[in-house]
Amino acid sequence: GIQVEQSPPDLILQEGANSTLRCNFSDSVNNLQWFHQNPWGQLINLFYIPSGTKQNGRLSATTVATERYSLLYISSSQTTDSGVYFCAVPSQGAQKLVFGQGTRLTINP
Amino acid sequence: DADVTQTPRNRITKTGKRIMLECSQTKGHDRMYWYRQDPGLGLRLIYYSFDVKDINKGEISDGYSVSRQAQAKFSLSLESAIPNQTALYFCATSGNRGGAGELFFGEGSRLTVL
Repeated sequence: GIQVEQSPPDLILQEGANSTLRCNFSDSVNNLQWFHQNPWGQLINLFYIPSGTKQNGRLSATTVATERYSLLYISSSQTTDSGVYFCAVPSQGAQKLVFGQGTRLTINP
Repeated sequence: DADVTQTPRNRITKTGKRIMLECSQTKGHDRMYWYRQDPGLGLRLIYYSFDVKDINKGEISDGYSVSRQAQAKFSLSLESAIPNQTALYFCATSGNRGGAGELFFGEGSRLTVL
């Protein structure tokens, strides 16, 4: 089945820094999602981004489907950005999503 | 109010007890899912359902059962809970009939089995 790899596994930054999180996938996909799991465990939708670039405030995402990767950019990080970021892509047959192992982001004040 | 609601949010139980986690959604989606998350790990799919008469096993269905009572309700049962089922459980929905559409999660149910 399709494999999803996220990097880096852990990232520690100071407040105000910018960060780039990467998601690689092993097969062609027709959509990709990014989620943020906050320290309380809630999973929040960030982007549904089959291809191209989307922006939402300080966050933006770019998916290059032909090269099988997606990037999540966080600018001017805040402590509330801390948590784990997951990407997910459809499985073969597109019946369910396959998740990466996540990137744990810690933003220190 | 949340579009995808899980109850209970937290539960502590003992080995051998039967536990039911319930999920209801107001998004009008056909597809519903149950995922499990263990500390430091990603999400693993337990069961999923594409409509009321459709139930499918995921990666880790052993020890679990589900019921799709209505389009809006999908419950997960642990018939005889064991300690290694201690985890955070998520219900999710999606509405795309033609493929794996955008997924929306409930707030999670934290289960501890002693």
